[in-house]
Parts: sequence; C-alpha cells; structure tokens
Amino acid sequence: DVKVTQSSRYLVKRTGEKVFLECVQDMDHENMFWYRQDPGLGLRLIYFSYDVKMKEKGDIPEGYSVSREKKERFSLILESASTNQTSMYLCASSPLVGPKNTEAFFGQGTRLTVV
Amino acid sequence: SQQGEEDPQALSIQEGENATMNCSYKTSINNLQWYRQNSGRGLVHLILIRSNEREKHSGRLRVTLDTSKKSSSLLITASRAADTASYFCATDVDSNYQLIWGAGTKLIIKP
Repeated sequence: DVKVTQSSRYLVKRTGEKVFLECVQDMDHENMFWYRQDPGLGLRLIYFSYDVKMKEKGDIPEGYSVSREKKERFSLILESASTNQTSMYLCASSPLVGPKNTEAFFGQGTRLTVV
Repeated sequence: SQQGEEDPQALSIQEGENATMNCSYKTSINNLQWYRQNSGRGLVHLILIRSNEREKHSGRLRVTLDTSKKSSSLLITASRAADTASYFCATDVDSNYQLIWGAGTKLIIKP
C-alpha cells in the first residue's frame, strides 16, 4: 500500500516562528503536493513538485516555501508564521503527470494552529 | 482556483438509503475524480472517470459524467454509518496537471 506520512498530526506555533512541515512517501512517486484546507474553500494548492529539486507555485504560495532534496521527501516551510496560516495542511503524492493523471495519495494531515 | 462545486453542501439521510452528490465544473477536463475524507483526516481516492466515459461503478459507488453539462454525480447505494464523511470532486484540467478541487459535500448517515 502507498503510504504518505506527515510528521505531525497537530502543531501549535507562535506568530513569527519558522515552521517546517515534513512529508514522506514510500512509493517512488514523481509528484508531490502541499495543500491547505479551510472550511468552505476546499483544497487549495500551495506548491507542487514533479521531480527532485523542482518546484512550482500553486494558487496560494505567498508566505510559504518548499524543499525537495530527495524524491521521497517534500517539506513545506512557513518562513514567519502568521495567524492566517492556521489551517489543515495536506500532503499528497501521485505517480504521473498531465492527461494521464491518476489518483493522488494523501497523508493524514497536519492541523496547524498559529497563536 | 476552484473549479468544482459540489451540491448539496450537506446531506443527512437514514442508514440504508441512497445518497447522491453532484459536482459541476467550468472548463474542459481530462478526468474527474471523487475522494472521501473522514473527519479531520486525509483524503482517500474513490473513483476516477475519464472524459470519454459516461458511467463507472465500484462496489456501492456509481459515478456518472456528463461533459455536455459539465457535471458529475456520485451515488452511494445502501448507505452505512461508515459512509459518514465529506466527499470531494477533483478535476484534471486540460493542459494543466494540477487537480482542481470543489468545496465538498458533507454526508451524514443516521443510524
């Protein structure tokens, strides 16, 4: 079974802190994604990566950065956490890109609260 | 950007009844997927239907796709308490390899 593991289920951080959210997948998928999920807004894409050291901005990249040094690991970084970044963060991976896009596999989510 | 819109936003039915959720989208697609999310957890893939398909089945799930109306429906037959969850549609938009998500339908199955 594909497994996508996020480093924390719940996280509480202070305003201004630098926050690292880690995601690891074990199926050698090329693509990895970071979403945030807020009530009534569905999933919004922050960043995605289709290869090691490659990254593309999604719909809401402001205030975030990412790192993909190894194929299995995709990190989301909040450079200076703010209260409006309080949200559920979801990591996902998928094996293909483009018109043959197949299913995405999700981690269990990290509920981040910034106080 | 949000493309899919699920309807209704919330649905509450008795166990054993059928549940139908709808998804509408705006632009042409390669495929449409349905996912389930149990409370506070990650999403689980249910079914993928390609743009040249009209209907697909998986166990108690039936998905239809009408590209002329830019809409899809998810039918869950003989619902169970374990089906209580939020259901999302996601579209794979032509020329763009992102998935575009709707806001979801919250389904509650009453025992």
